[in-house]
Amino acid sequence: DQQVKQNSPSLSVQEGRISILNCDYTNSMFDYFLWYKKYPAEGPTFLISISSIKDKNEDGRFTVFLNKSAKHLSLHIVPSQPGDSAVYFCAASPKNYGGSQGNLIFGKGTKLSVKP
Amino acid sequence: GAGVSQSPSNKVTEKGKDVELRCDPISGHTALYWYRQSLGQGLEFLIYFQGNSAPDKSGLPSDRFSAERTGGSVSTLTIQRTQQEDSAVYLCASSLAPAGLPRDTQYFGPGTRLTVL
Repeated sequence: DQQVKQNSPSLSVQEGRISILNCDYTNSMFDYFLWYKKYPAEGPTFLISISSIKDKNEDGRFTVFLNKSAKHLSLHIVPSQPGDSAVYFCAASPKNYGGSQGNLIFGKGTKLSVKP
Repeated sequence: GAGVSQSPSNKVTEKGKDVELRCDPISGHTALYWYRQSLGQGLEFLIYFQGNSAPDKSGLPSDRFSAERTGGSVSTLTIQRTQQEDSAVYLCASSLAPAGLPRDTQYFGPGTRLTVL
């Protein structure tokens, strides 16, 4: 059973517009969520995170929203740029881990294409 | 500074052979993780090392898979008697993981693409 789901395998947006990537989770023990970005032939790079005690976290053009009651989070990129074209992974961490993120549970990813 | 490095970048092997994949974490990072990504799938957790504690092996898919971390630094993931379903990109990550502090970021290496023929 997939505990973290990214139901859209791909998304295409025009440069300058908003990109919205969605993620759903099933395990209520998750209390920390992350987005990673991955370019081909490279490892994932951390983008932004959010704790379950918050409903929004913003970093420049990137904002993550968390709706705990719906077990849903989304990543907004505004404005989108061609360099944002990559695969975006949603990940979750269970609350039983201490200082480290420990075992991250990843979604399958959404491939974002930003067209000039 | 240097990031997480992995070797080899690509490995092609025949079914039934053993393979070793290497990970050099960022210097000073106490936590080290192995994940794998099969085609069309997300990253799947394999094993987690934290300092001198016993590793969390809960993600290893079978007893053909093992990993060790020598001297709290370099890690080797070994797959014995490889099968075609082992074909995937194997990713290593490390993090500072200071005890008692808020969660820290995992930094990933570029991965090793394993192909089992």
